[in-house]
Amino acid sequence: AQSVTQLDSQVPVFEEAPVELRCNYSSSVSVYLFWYVQYPNQGLQLLLKYLSGSTLVKGINGFEAEFNKSQTSFHLRKPSVHISDTAEYFCAVSDQDFGNEKLTFGTGTRLTIIP
Amino acid sequence: NAGVTQTPKFQVLKTGQSMTLQCAQDMNHEYMSWYRQDPGMGLRLIHYSVGAGITDQGEVPNGYNVSRSTTEDFPLRLLSAAPSQTSVYFCASSYNTGGYGYTFGSGTRLTVV
Repeated sequence: AQSVTQLDSQVPVFEEAPVELRCNYSSSVSVYLFWYVQYPNQGLQLLLKYLSGSTLVKGINGFEAEFNKSQTSFHLRKPSVHISDTAEYFCAVSDQDFGNEKLTFGTGTRLTIIP
Repeated sequence: NAGVTQTPKFQVLKTGQSMTLQCAQDMNHEYMSWYRQDPGMGLRLIHYSVGAGITDQGEVPNGYNVSRSTTEDFPLRLLSAAPSQTSVYFCASSYNTGGYGYTFGSGTRLTVV
């Protein structure tokens, strides 16, 4: 069984400042890793994913994430945030061996951009 | 492409009532799932299906039933609603290959009084 820990439930950041949202996972097998974004009163949207290969993954809206196998982490970063980035962000993991898209989600990090 | 369509968007039920949350996708995805979202708990898997006629339980299946008679539809039935089932419910679908990623519906906000 796998699990996901998002260490920060809320992150306030000034507009145009950089941000890092932390995610650690636990699994006994190789994993796929995902970040999803949820804007207010909407469903979840895929931001980026790591399947294999380069450990630095670029996604939509200027976000990127780095997979660190030794630290079992998949932190999300953006060099300069905008008001429109205000949302809740979810890290998720699935086992490569499971053979389908059964995902385990973290509890989410609410990103608030301060003008 | 409509993607994943959930109905209704909002619903208020009385304790003990039953209802069905509808989910339909038009992307020919084999994999479909239902999650509930509660504050501070993220998304928890209720039931999932890897294809028509095949369903299985997730992390929190008690009080819910599903069936998958077609590739497109995956309804979630609440048998006897309880206040603990007050939540936002999301349906999601994907191709049944590792790492593809989900397409989510816009959610159903359910309140049980």
